[in-house]
Amino acid sequence: DTGVSQDPRHKITKRGQNVTFRCDPISEHNRLYWYRQTLGQGPEFLTYFQNEAQLEKSRLLSDRFSAERPKGSFSTLEIQRTEQGDSAMYLCASSPSSGGSTDTQYFGPGTRLTVL
Amino acid sequence: AQSVAQPEDQVNVAEGNPLTVKCTYSVSGNPYLFWYVQYPNRGLQFLLKYITGDNLVKGSYGFEAEFNKSQTSFHLKKPSALVSDSALYFCAVRGFKSSASKIIFGSGTRLSIRP
Repeated sequence: DTGVSQDPRHKITKRGQNVTFRCDPISEHNRLYWYRQTLGQGPEFLTYFQNEAQLEKSRLLSDRFSAERPKGSFSTLEIQRTEQGDSAMYLCASSPSSGGSTDTQYFGPGTRLTVL
Repeated sequence: AQSVAQPEDQVNVAEGNPLTVKCTYSVSGNPYLFWYVQYPNRGLQFLLKYITGDNLVKGSYGFEAEFNKSQTSFHLKKPSALVSDSALYFCAVRGFKSSASKIIFGSGTRLSIRP
């Protein structure tokens, strides 16, 4: 069990540029979640996949945000035309859909985005 | 609507003393409750959860939490604090009938343990 990994760990970009983040969940987990965390706040839910299906999206996820999980393994989160307000830590989490730990989400280290 | 409150932004405790980090929640039906810890520039690490059963839940690193249904609380405790416990702690909740995604996090409590 290597845990949830995210890449890159840090991203600095200029306003208006597109950025893409990757998340690799724990290998046997088929549920994957994206969250956004701003300074001084708890994580806020963005979206959720079960296998390759995107089952839920938060209203926080504007049209500039898109997430995919094409093969039900890793996921990408893309932000188009970044704005300074997008600066945050983007966290990925995964959980199994069966067994005793279905309710426990395991988090990756996060990608810190800074939009200049 | 689900919500969780952590009334203290910061808790300061001397090493060796007991610590409590407070959490109260609001949810329809039975709650699922969680505590996570976050170290600087890191993701969240799962500490413990309450789903059902014994109201006192034991977790990682010697932490425990007590579920109190009448007070809608789930306070995190440790009998003897360590300097290495200094971190940001998040309480989280989801309703029994909510989807797996609907975990709501509190705003966090910064725990500072002085030597």
